[in-house]
Amino acid sequence: QQQVKQSPQSLIVQKGGISIINCAYENTAFDYFPWYQQFPGKGPALLIAIRPDVSEKKEGRFTISFNKSAKQFSLHIMDSQPGDSATYFCATSMSGAGSYQLTFGKGTKLSVIP
Amino acid sequence: DSGVTQTPKHLITATGQRVTLRCSPRSGDLSVYWYQQSLDQGLQFLIHYYNGEERAKGNILERFSAQQFPDLHSELNLSSLELGDSALYFCASSVTPAGNTGELFFGEGSRLTVL
Repeated sequence: QQQVKQSPQSLIVQKGGISIINCAYENTAFDYFPWYQQFPGKGPALLIAIRPDVSEKKEGRFTISFNKSAKQFSLHIMDSQPGDSATYFCATSMSGAGSYQLTFGKGTKLSVIP
Repeated sequence: DSGVTQTPKHLITATGQRVTLRCSPRSGDLSVYWYQQSLDQGLQFLIHYYNGEERAKGNILERFSAQQFPDLHSELNLSSLELGDSALYFCASSVTPAGNTGELFFGEGSRLTVL
């Protein structure tokens, strides 16, 4: 299974600060790059996603930056809030393969402290 | 609430035993995916079914099997259980095998503990 490398493993940010999580992938055939958010006791839920035809996508306080040549993408959380404390997973998949299974990074546990 | 239902939420069993985990996808979703989540391996894709047919296999052990029934619910069968099988097992569903958004909707998981 293709690897997706995610960093850091854990992150502590002050309320109001910027949280940045990075991911790197290997397979250039990947064409869908979502971020999932998981709270304790819950399943992952889609937060935001990007396709490689754009370099940035913003939804509220959440932004994905995508660097196709470097095969990297990152999640930026602006004005981080304690309610953002969760585990974040980047993922990749490719269309046209008959299946949309996601390959996940190992996750980043974000703690936003007041 | 994602609309995906998984049972049981918690399961404790002994090594060598067999268990069945059940998943009901969102209404109208034809695809069901199974994932295993452990602390050291993260979320690992196991298998994907679409409308009753197996579509893709990931890192699924031979001791594990799955199926999707005509009513679209799915079951993951884990046999000859080992301590290392202790994990959270998630089911996810989507509209099609290659959905327009690619979004998967996850259930809350079944936590399996093998003693």
